[in-house]
Amino acid sequence: QSVLTQPPSVSAAPGQRVTISCSGSSSNIGNNYVSWYQQLPGTSPKLLIYDNNKRPSGIPDRFSGSKSGTSATLGITGLQTGDEGDYYCGTWDGVSVILFGGGTKLTVL
Amino acid sequence: EVQLVESGGVVIQVGGSLRLSCAASGFIFGNFMMHWVRQAPGRGLEWVSLISWDAGTIDYADSVKGRFTVSRDNSKNSLYLQIHSLKTEDTAFYYCAKDQGNYKGLDYWGQGTLVTVSS
Repeated sequence: QSVLTQPPSVSAAPGQRVTISCSGSSSNIGNNYVSWYQQLPGTSPKLLIYDNNKRPSGIPDRFSGSKSGTSATLGITGLQTGDEGDYYCGTWDGVSVILFGGGTKLTVL
Repeated sequence: EVQLVESGGVVIQVGGSLRLSCAASGFIFGNFMMHWVRQAPGRGLEWVSLISWDAGTIDYADSVKGRFTVSRDNSKNSLYLQIHSLKTEDTAFYYCAKDQGNYKGLDYWGQGTLVTVSS
């Protein structure tokens, strides 16, 4: 059972928008930046969002992040079949421990 | 181009020991905190350990404290994870990952190396 809570799965049709939530507490999300990672089938995780809402170079603006209080949200617009995979939120708990959410499986119908 | 290449994954019996390595290139390795993250087959990500650029800060997940030891050799651009008293629940892909700095997330990941602990 992860300290950061994500829905196990979400789904939407191609071209639609989907959001994935990540719920934590004041000791983690509430006082730290949130990152989001994409793991496509058979690949290593990839950083999608850092500092709650910033995108590394090369990440399309279809991906967005936000944070409010002790929760964070990943948004994906213009869904593509290539977006199917697992998505994880991550943050710090204190100074030197990282937490990951349990992961959300995205299905593009 | 940043590259992280893990090695050392094996099939090993419960109670055994092994050392994983991660060879880094394409960036100034000695400037960055590094992490180990593992993923049991079909399961989610679990953070395992971190080591700061100078090894002055080291920490571990509670699930591995006392059995895992992280280290680095900046002269060899290499990160290591020594694992003792292996348990079946340690079976996982082990990834090394580069910290972007200033709590900005893990921006590069290796391809992973598989450790299988058999009973």
